[in-house]
Amino acid sequence: QQQVKQSPQSLIVQKGGISIINCAYENTAFDYFPWYQQFPGKGPALLIAIRPDVSEKKEGRFTISFNKSAKQFSLHIMASQTGDSATYFCAATYYGQNFVFGPGTRLSVLP
Amino acid sequence: DVKVTQSSRYLVKRTGEKVFLECVQDMDHENMFWYRQDPGLGLRLIYFSYDVKMKEKGDIPEGYSVSREKKERFSLILESASTNQTSMYLCASSSPGRVDHEQYFGPGTRLTVT
Repeated sequence: QQQVKQSPQSLIVQKGGISIINCAYENTAFDYFPWYQQFPGKGPALLIAIRPDVSEKKEGRFTISFNKSAKQFSLHIMASQTGDSATYFCAATYYGQNFVFGPGTRLSVLP
Repeated sequence: DVKVTQSSRYLVKRTGEKVFLECVQDMDHENMFWYRQDPGLGLRLIYFSYDVKMKEKGDIPEGYSVSREKKERFSLILESASTNQTSMYLCASSSPGRVDHEQYFGPGTRLTVT
C-alpha cells in the first residue's frame, strides 16, 4: 500500500522529443504527488507537483497528468533538452509527512 | 535562498563504529527527514521529525536512531555501522504550513562502511 511504482528505469530521447515517465500508487489517502529532479552530486529538487483533485498541471515544458481512478500519474517533458538529463523521482505523501518515492528514472537527452 | 546543509559530503567508516550525520536547515521548518538513496530503490525514509524532540519511524529505521534537540538540527546516528549501511544519505526539511508540502534537500552524504 505504501509503494509507488515508476517506469521506465531509464529513458533515452533525442533533443526536441517528448519524455514520458509513469508512476502508479495504491494508497488512496495520498494527497500530494510531487516530481523531483536530481542532478549528479546534488540532492533532489522539486520540479512540479499535483493534488488529486486536478487532472493536469503544466509548468513550462513540464506537465503532470493525473488519473485518480487508475491511481496513476505521469510526467511529460516537452521539447526535451540536453540540460534535462537527470534522474527523476515521483513521490506521494499524505499530510506532508511520510513521503514515499518511486525508484527513479534516469533520463538521457541526446544532442 | 533556502538552505539545507549536511556535515560531510563523503565519509568512510569501519564496521562497528558509531557514526553521526548532521543536518542543519535555516528555513525554520518544523519537519525534517532522513532518507537513504540506493540505485534502483529510490529514496527510502529512515526517520522523520515534526517537532523538536519528536521523531517517527519511516520505512527502514532498523540500525538507525535520530536526535532533534533544536529545531534547525536533525542528526542521524548509526549505532554500530555495518557494510549494508553503505549508501547515500539525504536530509530534507519542509513546513507543514505550506500547501504544497515542498521538501528541500541537502546535497547528501555518501557513506562508505568498510
